[in-house]
Amino acid sequence: DAGVTQSPTHLIKTRGQQVTLRCSPISGHKSVSWYQQVLGQGPQFIFQYYEKEERGRGNFPDRFSARQFPNYSSELNVNALLLGDSALYLCASSFFAGLAGSGANVLTFGAGSRLTVL
Amino acid sequence: QKEVEQDPGPLSVPEGAIVSLNCTYSNSAFQYFMWYRQYSRKGPELLMYTYSSGNKEDGRFTAQVDKSSKYISLFIRDSQPSDSATYLCAMSLGNTGFQKLVFGTGTRLLVSP
Repeated sequence: DAGVTQSPTHLIKTRGQQVTLRCSPISGHKSVSWYQQVLGQGPQFIFQYYEKEERGRGNFPDRFSARQFPNYSSELNVNALLLGDSALYLCASSFFAGLAGSGANVLTFGAGSRLTVL
Repeated sequence: QKEVEQDPGPLSVPEGAIVSLNCTYSNSAFQYFMWYRQYSRKGPELLMYTYSSGNKEDGRFTAQVDKSSKYISLFIRDSQPSDSATYLCAMSLGNTGFQKLVFGTGTRLLVSP
């Protein structure tokens, strides 16, 4: 079975440019979350979408936006790139939006898209 | 102060050693506790999850949660060179309509043959 797939795997942009990252969740998963992982740090929550609706947003500026499509895939957009946006961007999927009961709805992560801003 | 504190390491052990990895946290409302393993240039892979306090065992891995002390641990028995990776603890409030994981910085583990 295919896991969470992300594209592109690597990309280099310059300051001020815009970038779009793509994610396809595991088949049957309806929730997609985005995390930013700066080198040497743990992942930081950016967004969660469930059934095409935003369920949560982390402490990131409005330059960051996302959407989820009817097939549950998702895009993360970052405008006006800064050097500090250089990071591994991780997409994760789950069946449902939250954790409850046995906690079996924990997130499965993709390999990430590594963004370098010069 | 970060919500979740984790020693970044690196932690170097010989093959066969018992490894203890730990995290402390400040938010007493966390209910779900997870350990992820991340190999270089890969995404995090779920190893263990625990709801509330207690112990959970899976093969060579044991997860412990002590909510009274706000302290969680992951033990790895008979460590192997293939266990060399970064281990991330993660926590969640457990809202049924929303899931946000709060991660530690990760501990880099090196197991030498």
